[in-house]
Amino acid sequence: DAKTTQPPSMDCAEGRAANLPCNHSTISGNEYVYWYRQIHSQGPQYIIHGLKNNETNEMASLIITEDRKSSTLILPHATLRDTAVYYCIVRGTGGFKTIFGAGTRLFVKA
Amino acid sequence: GAVVSQHPSWVICKSGTSVKIECRSLDFQATTMFWYRQFPKQSLMLMATSNEGSKATYEQGVEKDKFLINHASLTLSTLTVTSAHPEDSSFYICSARDGQGIQETQYFGPGTRLLVL
Repeated sequence: DAKTTQPPSMDCAEGRAANLPCNHSTISGNEYVYWYRQIHSQGPQYIIHGLKNNETNEMASLIITEDRKSSTLILPHATLRDTAVYYCIVRGTGGFKTIFGAGTRLFVKA
Repeated sequence: GAVVSQHPSWVICKSGTSVKIECRSLDFQATTMFWYRQFPKQSLMLMATSNEGSKATYEQGVEKDKFLINHASLTLSTLTVTSAHPEDSSFYICSARDGQGIQETQYFGPGTRLLVL
């Protein structure tokens, strides 16, 4: 599976958009970009995933660059409850393992 | 999204005893489940892949005789920590694979916190 690079931490003001970047320059053609988050002392929560098109759901938007070497997770209106570690993961489908990196620790401040 | 449960949510045991943790997919069938553990301030570390009806595949460095995995049905996988020692104290998390192709997603349980005294 391709490796990903994320900033270790980010701050965001409550009510503002949180933009979390992820680099995955070695992604292969059949690998998807997945985002999860882990709130303290809980299991990871699935947020969104995509292959090459931008995706949006009730939680977030995922913007993938045309060359697929990087992506950005957007939380449009961050709240204090969005404070968590966000993991960007690249993997294929068909039962491939989800390997976690260090993620980005997002602090949403009032 | 799909729901994965774990039981118990936390357990305290004496050194040398065995502890069983259950992972269930509540509203979908999962042919593949995964077990992770997480130490404080660290990321999740994959321990093993559990396939229904077959032997689990363990990651390098994980002792298969110490961490017994059984995936006897499409909705249940169990992890047994045998002869637990204080260094096995950790946060154990399972996940289950749902869907296929572009719809494939892994959903995670809430975790089980194990403390070995």
